[in-house]
Amino acid sequence: DAKTTQPNSMESNEEEPVHLPCNHSTISGTDYIHWYRQLPSQGPEYVIHGLTSNVNNRMASLAIAEDRKSSTLILHRATLRDAAVYYCILRVQGAQKLVFGQGTRLTINP
Amino acid sequence: KAGVTQTPRYLIKTRGQQVTLSCSPISGHRSVSWYQQTPGQGLQFLFEYFSETQRNKGNFPGRFSGRQFSNSRSEMNVSTLELGDSALYLCASSLGGLVHNEQFFGPGTRLTVL
Repeated sequence: DAKTTQPNSMESNEEEPVHLPCNHSTISGTDYIHWYRQLPSQGPEYVIHGLTSNVNNRMASLAIAEDRKSSTLILHRATLRDAAVYYCILRVQGAQKLVFGQGTRLTINP
Repeated sequence: KAGVTQTPRYLIKTRGQQVTLSCSPISGHRSVSWYQQTPGQGLQFLFEYFSETQRNKGNFPGRFSGRQFSNSRSEMNVSTLELGDSALYLCASSLGGLVHNEQFFGPGTRLTVL
C-alpha cells in the first residue's frame, strides 16, 4: 500500500482558511487521493477525493499537484467544529480498503 | 436515511472469552468493512465483506473473523480475547461498486478486555 506523510498537528484560527498538506511520492496512476476526518468520539467521515484535477465540494477543496506527489486539503473558513484528525489516504480504484496513517490533528482557536 | 449502526456501543470482557460485534449498514449498501482503532496503532483495516463474501482481509490473526448476512448486516467475532484487543471497533458501509463511493462509518463499539 502506498504511503502518505502528513504533519502530526496544525493549529489555526476560527474563520481563517486552513491548508492541510499531504505528501504521497509513491502514488501510482490508479491511486485516488481521499481525505477523511475524525471528530472527537466519532467514526471517520468522508471529506473529499480526487484523481488528478482539483476538486471542490461543500466541505472543502482538494488541490492536487501536477505530478500528483502531493496534495492539499483546503478548509476555506474554519469553524470550531472543524477541529478533528484529518487523514489523507491513497485508495486503489474499486478497492474498499482504506489505509489510514497517523493523520493531522487540527486545532481551531476561537 | 438511517446511518450505520453498531451494537453494542460498549463491551467489557475478560481474557480468553470471545465476543461478537454487530454492524447494520445503510440501506442499499452491500459492502461492509471493519477497522480496529487503538492509540498505538491507529486505524487498521480488518476485513471487508461484499454480498456475503469476504473480499479483502488485513493483517490480523485468525482469532478475528467476520461474516455478512443476506441483508448486508455484518458481524465480527474475536475469539480467545487478549488484553491487546482492547480497542474501538468501527464498521463502515458503502455501495461497494467499482466507482469511488464514500464510506460511511458507524460510531464504533468500544471493547475493553480485562
